[in-house]
Amino acid sequence: GQQVMQIPQYQHVQEGEDFTTYCNSSTTLSNIQWYKQRPGGHPVFLIQLVKSGEVKKQKRLTFQFGEAKKNSSLHITATQTTDVGTYFCAGTPGNKLTFGGGTRVLVKP
Amino acid sequence: DTEVTQTPKHLVMGMTNKKSLKCEQHMGHRAMYWYKQKAKKPPELMFVYSYEKLSINESVPSRFSPECPNSSLLNLHLHALQPEDSALYLCASSQDLGRGNYGYTFGSGTRLTVV
Repeated sequence: GQQVMQIPQYQHVQEGEDFTTYCNSSTTLSNIQWYKQRPGGHPVFLIQLVKSGEVKKQKRLTFQFGEAKKNSSLHITATQTTDVGTYFCAGTPGNKLTFGGGTRVLVKP
Repeated sequence: DTEVTQTPKHLVMGMTNKKSLKCEQHMGHRAMYWYKQKAKKPPELMFVYSYEKLSINESVPSRFSPECPNSSLLNLHLHALQPEDSALYLCASSQDLGRGNYGYTFGSGTRLTVV
């Protein structure tokens, strides 16, 4: 079945710095969604990408869908302590939202 | 109302108990889901309901029994659970099931401990 892999598993970031987390699928995705889960919280939908090569921005967050629709990335600029949490990408093979392993982000003040 | 409400928030149950988890949404979403999440792991899909009918069962043991009484409610009945079933149980909903083109709204979850 489809597997969605995320790297890195952990990301320690100095406050104010940028970082990128990557998502790779073994098969072509019809779309990809990104979620954020704060410590002790629940996943919160951030965005969905559908088109090949699509780029979407939300303030300091930039999401990109690869040309082959098999990979995606999330880039955060000027990291803040509020960015702490786990970022998941997720694909929808067979109408089932399937999560990648997540990137756990820790911010050093 | 843009929320998915789950009750209870915490539950401790013995291996011989019967309990139920409840989930409610009033966004008019026609697809509802149960996920299980262990610590430091991604959510894992358990069940999918579409238009109040069970659409997907991810080979979940029969000690977990889902129920969708109406379009706004989703229950998960628990019986004879094992300690390894302890986890965060998340309910989610989305506008529709088809095409996967809708973001999911998750509830805050029920943290279950089986003793």
